[in-house]
Amino acid sequence: QVQLVESGGGVVQPGKSLRLSCAASGFTFSNYGMHWVRQAPGKGLEWVAVIWFDGSNKQYGDPVKGRITISRDNSRSTLDLQMNSLRAEDTAVYYCVRGGAGTNVFDYWGQGILVTVSS
Amino acid sequence: QSALTQPPSASGSPGQSVTISCTGTSSDVGGYKYVSWYQQHPGKAPKLMIYEVNKRPSGVPDRFSGSKSGNTASLTVSGLQAEDEADYYCSSYAGSNIHVFGTGTKVTVL
Repeated sequence: QVQLVESGGGVVQPGKSLRLSCAASGFTFSNYGMHWVRQAPGKGLEWVAVIWFDGSNKQYGDPVKGRITISRDNSRSTLDLQMNSLRAEDTAVYYCVRGGAGTNVFDYWGQGILVTVSS
Repeated sequence: QSALTQPPSASGSPGQSVTISCTGTSSDVGGYKYVSWYQQHPGKAPKLMIYEVNKRPSGVPDRFSGSKSGNTASLTVSGLQAEDEADYYCSSYAGSNIHVFGTGTKVTVL
C-alpha cells in the first residue's frame, strides 16, 4: 500500500532554515510527480510546490517562491523540502502528497508534519 | 494564485443531499478538466473523493458526485451519513504546473 511518511518538522526561529523529508513506499516513486501541501492551524489547504517524476521540472506557490526548494532522490524514494528565511506565516502542517499518474490530482497524502516558526 | 471560493458551511439531515460549490476563473476551474475534491476529518490528512471533475477513485461511495459548469464546480453528497461530516476542499489545476485549493466548506450532518 502507498505510504508517505514525513519527518524533520519542529520549532524554528524566524529567519532560520528547516528541511523536511518524505519517505515513500508501496509504489514506483520514480513514476510520479510529488507535491508539498500545507495547512496553517485552523485554516485551509495551500499548495506549496511540485516536482516532476524525474525532477526535471519544479514549480512553487507565490507565498514561498524564492525561499523554498523542492527536490527528490528517486534512488532512495525520498522527497525533500528545503525551507529558508522562515516566517511566522509558514507555521503549518506540511503534507507530502503524490500526484496522480497522467493527471493532475493529489491522490495519496502523508499524515503531515508540523512546522512552527516562533521565537 | 487566488484561492477558489467555497461557501464556509453546508448542512443537511441524514439521507438528504448537500451540494458544495467551488468558484474560480477561466484560468483555473473553467480552463481545465482537472478539478478534484478532498474530504478532511479533524486531525486527519485529506482524502481524495473526486478527480477530473466527476471521476471517483476506487473505494469512494457513489453517493459522492462532481460536476462543472463554466468557472464553477460542484460536489454533491447524496444520502448524507454521519461519517460525511467533515471539511471539503476543491482543487484545480491553474496551468504552468500551478495548483490552487478552495477555501474549504464545513459540512454538518444535522
